[in-house]
Amino acid sequence: DAGVIQSPRHEVTEMGQEVTLRCKPISGHNSLFWYRQTMMRGLELLIYFNNNVPIDDSGMPEDRFSAKMPNASFSTLKIQPSEPRDSAVYFCASSLGRPRTPLHFGNGTRLTVT
Amino acid sequence: DAKTTQPPSMDCAEGRAANLPCNHSTISGNEYVYWYRQIHSQGPQYIIHGLKNNETNEMASLIITEDRKSSTLILPHATLRDTAVYYCIVRETGANNLFFGTGTRLTVIP
Repeated sequence: DAGVIQSPRHEVTEMGQEVTLRCKPISGHNSLFWYRQTMMRGLELLIYFNNNVPIDDSGMPEDRFSAKMPNASFSTLKIQPSEPRDSAVYFCASSLGRPRTPLHFGNGTRLTVT
Repeated sequence: DAKTTQPPSMDCAEGRAANLPCNHSTISGNEYVYWYRQIHSQGPQYIIHGLKNNETNEMASLIITEDRKSSTLILPHATLRDTAVYYCIVRETGANNLFFGTGTRLTVIP
């Protein structure tokens, strides 16, 4: 079990550029979550998917953010255009999707927008 | 609207038991108590969860009061590697997502 794999681990980009964060969930897990962590706001749920379908995207900050899950083994979170206030650590997590099953988190992508 | 209240920080001597409290006075009958921790530069890690009975696994024990309005996470023999932020979360039975509060920063002191 390789765990949830996120890439890249670190991303530095200039304001206005497009940023794509990637996540590979644990095999067999059918729920996937994107979180963002900052010092000011802590861990925030951005969006989650069940069986590749977005269920709740109410945490997505604005239209510049979009997330896709084209298949059960891959998801992306895209920011276009990026802004300095998007600087944060972005975590992906997956779970079996059944009630009370725990979420397993990746080690995150640290995004810095200059 | 925070569902849980935790002290912002605690210290514990290495080798001693670490007891982390959590208040969840508005918990409803179908909500579970979950504990996660986050070690520096890593993603949150699941520790344990329970409804109303005390629970124990290889990582920790969870003690829930009879009225379910508070709970305590116990690390029986804290090590330096247990230094982390510990999150107490209340989650509905059928809910698939998790909402994190501010947690307790536990520092294990040599």
